[in-house]
Amino acid sequence: AQSVSQHNHHVILSEAASLELGCNYSYGGTVNLFWYVQYPGQHLQLLLKYFSGDPLVKGIKGFEAEFIKSKFSFNLRKPSVQWSDTAEYFCAVNAGTSYDKVIFGPGTSLSVIP
Amino acid sequence: GAVVSQHPSWVICKSGTSVKIECRSLDFQATTMFWYRQFPKQSLMLMATSNEGSKATYEQGVEKDKFLINHASLTLSTLTVTSAHPEDSSFYICSATPGWGGNTEAFFGQGTRLTVV
Repeated sequence: AQSVSQHNHHVILSEAASLELGCNYSYGGTVNLFWYVQYPGQHLQLLLKYFSGDPLVKGIKGFEAEFIKSKFSFNLRKPSVQWSDTAEYFCAVNAGTSYDKVIFGPGTSLSVIP
Repeated sequence: GAVVSQHPSWVICKSGTSVKIECRSLDFQATTMFWYRQFPKQSLMLMATSNEGSKATYEQGVEKDKFLINHASLTLSTLTVTSAHPEDSSFYICSATPGWGGNTEAFFGQGTRLTVV
């Protein structure tokens, strides 16, 4: 069965600090990978996605992620965080086709201190 | 992008009653939809896969008699929480993936917050 783990439960950063959130998945076949963000009181928003091709994917709001197949990882990065990035971040995967179920990681809560 | 809409956005019901939540794909057809629940400060947990014209597939540990899923058309799936209890209070979210050709991500509804009192 697929599973997704995220390295950090809660991350606290100062504004302008760099961010890297770890994500690992367990599935041996083809996967599609996603990072979602959930701002306080709001619903999910897609940050970026990887289906195939260039393993370095750029998303919205200055976020990027790198797919490293050999490490089963899809870490999220941002060079300089802002207070408005305070939110819950979820790594997610679906195996096979994009029509299959999406499995979410436990989430990482990011708090950015002004 | 595609739009998935849930109704209602929030509902409060008395313990022992049943509540129906609708999930609609507004601009595409979906033979498969997914239902998730999210407790406060937690991640989305997949509850079941809703299949148009056939029975839903439930994840391990999810009571199929308590969470009734009906996918009667290609644009509508419903989740009915039967005999709701306070522990069923949660945020319920549905998703569907449009079949526009090629890979595309799932689109999520805005969620339904259920409070059982």
